[in-house]
Amino acid sequence: NAGVTQTPKFRVLKTGQSMTLLCAQDMNHEYMYWYRQDPGMGLRLIHYSVGEGTTAKGEVPDGYNVSRLKKQNFLLGLESAAPSQTSVYFCASSYSQGPDTQYFGPGTRLTVL
Amino acid sequence: AQSVTQPDIHITVSEGASLELRCNYSYGATPYLFWYVQSPGQGLQLLLKYFSGDTLVQGIKGFEAEFKRSQSSFNLRKPSVHWSDAAEYFCAVGAGGNTGKLIFGQGTTLQVKP
Repeated sequence: NAGVTQTPKFRVLKTGQSMTLLCAQDMNHEYMYWYRQDPGMGLRLIHYSVGEGTTAKGEVPDGYNVSRLKKQNFLLGLESAAPSQTSVYFCASSYSQGPDTQYFGPGTRLTVL
Repeated sequence: AQSVTQPDIHITVSEGASLELRCNYSYGATPYLFWYVQSPGQGLQLLLKYFSGDTLVQGIKGFEAEFKRSQSSFNLRKPSVHWSDAAEYFCAVGAGGNTGKLIFGQGTTLQVKP
């Protein structure tokens, strides 16, 4: 049982490049989330999904897209990376629809030059 | 709108001393409250949570937190800090509805002096 895994762990992009971050969970959780973490700002929700085939915007969705084609995977895409997207990205998942423990992945450190 | 404030950005305590990390929330109804810990270079791990019932909640690693509705607070405590407790601590509140979303505070970095 690996829990929540994220690929890659580190990435450096140039401005304008695109990339996809992959999150996978093996706990059969319905709910999945993408956060970004910046110094002094805690974690801010980018997008989330309440089930396979569904996605919704969070607090800071601009410049990002997501897809949930399979229940266990949640992809975060950057179509045209900007330096402001330099951050640490965390994926999380939870089981139930109410407030519930979220289980976090180890994070992806992204630098955009 | 819901919000969480952690007034202390950085705290330093001596090993063996007691610890209290502050968390204040803004929420219209009964809040669902969480404390997470993040060790350097790691993801977040749940320490404890409060949904209802006893306002003093016990968590892992010897931590506890007390929900005080009158003060809109959910402070985290530990009677004796260990060097391994050095980390960043996040308080969070459930955003309501059926989305499971959490709203996080800014975090408090704990440094432990030998």
